[in-house]
Amino acid sequence: DARVTQTPRHKVTEMGQEVTMRCQPILGHNTVFWYRQTMMQGLELLAYFRNRAPLDDSGMPKDRFSAEMPDATLATLKIQPSEPRDSAVYFCASGFPGTGTTGELFFGEGSRLTVL
Amino acid sequence: GQQLNQSPQSMFIQEGEDVSMNCTSSSIFNTWLWYKQDPGEGPVLLIALYKAGELTSNGRLTAQFGITRKDSFLNISASIPSDVGIYFCAGRGINTGTASKLTFGTGTRLQVTL
Repeated sequence: DARVTQTPRHKVTEMGQEVTMRCQPILGHNTVFWYRQTMMQGLELLAYFRNRAPLDDSGMPKDRFSAEMPDATLATLKIQPSEPRDSAVYFCASGFPGTGTTGELFFGEGSRLTVL
Repeated sequence: GQQLNQSPQSMFIQEGEDVSMNCTSSSIFNTWLWYKQDPGEGPVLLIALYKAGELTSNGRLTAQFGITRKDSFLNISASIPSDVGIYFCAGRGINTGTASKLTFGTGTRLQVTL
């Protein structure tokens, strides 16, 4: 049963610490997205990749956030240093979005981050 | 940037009632998707719409792609307790720069009472 896998599921850390979240997209999907979900902002797009190349990271605070895709089976989202306002659920999603395709995204279960 | 207004924000309904929610956009979309998110889980796709005017059903769920291409509706008939969750609309724009990414609505939180 193919699915997007995210780790860790839960992370509690102290302000100033580095946080790394990982995502394994569904095998064969060529596009990977990182979203952040909070009660106030809903689902916000942070960054996305197509064929491992970053296409758009305009939604990401670049001074502390970085997203990479070192290979086709792994996407990472790093926060350094973390701040309490970064507390949220971070979702990874993969699919084949784009003009002329079905455009469906498949989400992981999310990584719930709490920064104290 | 593109914005999606989703309403209502939340609903309390009794089991057996029908539910309606909608999404409107400030710009034209060529794809509308409806997702459901259960507590502690990621959003799961319910229905996908690809043509203006399209009406698609999935069990008790029915969704429509508005003629103007700026809105979409989701209806749930005869609600049951497991319908509880957050429902998101999502749209994909028609321009090359926006064709790859989805814009999500703010969500409709549905609670069903017995």
